[in-house]
Amino acid sequence: NAGVTQTPKFQVLKTGQSMTLQCAQDMNHNSMYWYRQDPGMGLRLIYYSASEGTTDKGEVPNGYNVSRLNKREFSLRLESAAPSQTSVYFCASRRDRVESPLHFGNGTRLTVT
Amino acid sequence: SQQGEEDPQALSIQEGENATMNCSYKTSINNLQWYRQNSGRGLVHLILIRSNEREKHSGRLRVTLDTSKKSSSLLITASRAADTASYFCATEIPGANSKLTFGKGITLSVRP
Repeated sequence: NAGVTQTPKFQVLKTGQSMTLQCAQDMNHNSMYWYRQDPGMGLRLIYYSASEGTTDKGEVPNGYNVSRLNKREFSLRLESAAPSQTSVYFCASRRDRVESPLHFGNGTRLTVT
Repeated sequence: SQQGEEDPQALSIQEGENATMNCSYKTSINNLQWYRQNSGRGLVHLILIRSNEREKHSGRLRVTLDTSKKSSSLLITASRAADTASYFCATEIPGANSKLTFGKGITLSVRP
């Protein structure tokens, strides 16, 4: 099993460019999440999808959009990248809405110049 | 402000020693989870403790939860160089609609 797969692993964007971060899980999990990790800030939740067909804002949603394409895939889109979005982005999934562990991908390291 | 905050921010110990890391949180929780992150990798789940539990064990890990003090501790016994990583606590709040809030993490270095 691959678990949670994120693509790409690295990306450099210029300010104003757009891109989509892809995430797929093969564990038949219901809930999926996007976090960003910045030095000294820990992980902050951007968006999540508690079940297929639903998405909700997390702590830091501004500048991002998401799509739960199907049960396996949850993408994160930056419409107009800003230097403040330079970060490491992690996708995670879990089986149930509550009381189950998160399974993380290995992250996408994004730099916006 | 963070729901969960770990203490200390960094810890350096000798191989074979025990490592104790603490997490404090602000509001009532359903459960608290600990994760490990090796450099350049995603987080890996270590252990989950529910609000009605006081202690759990998993191999060399022991987690305690004190809901009256709103705190948890993670003990790693007989540490190994391979335990060098960052450790995060994450809390799940009642009615939080299925999301976990993470602390800023503790950097543990185990010297061979």
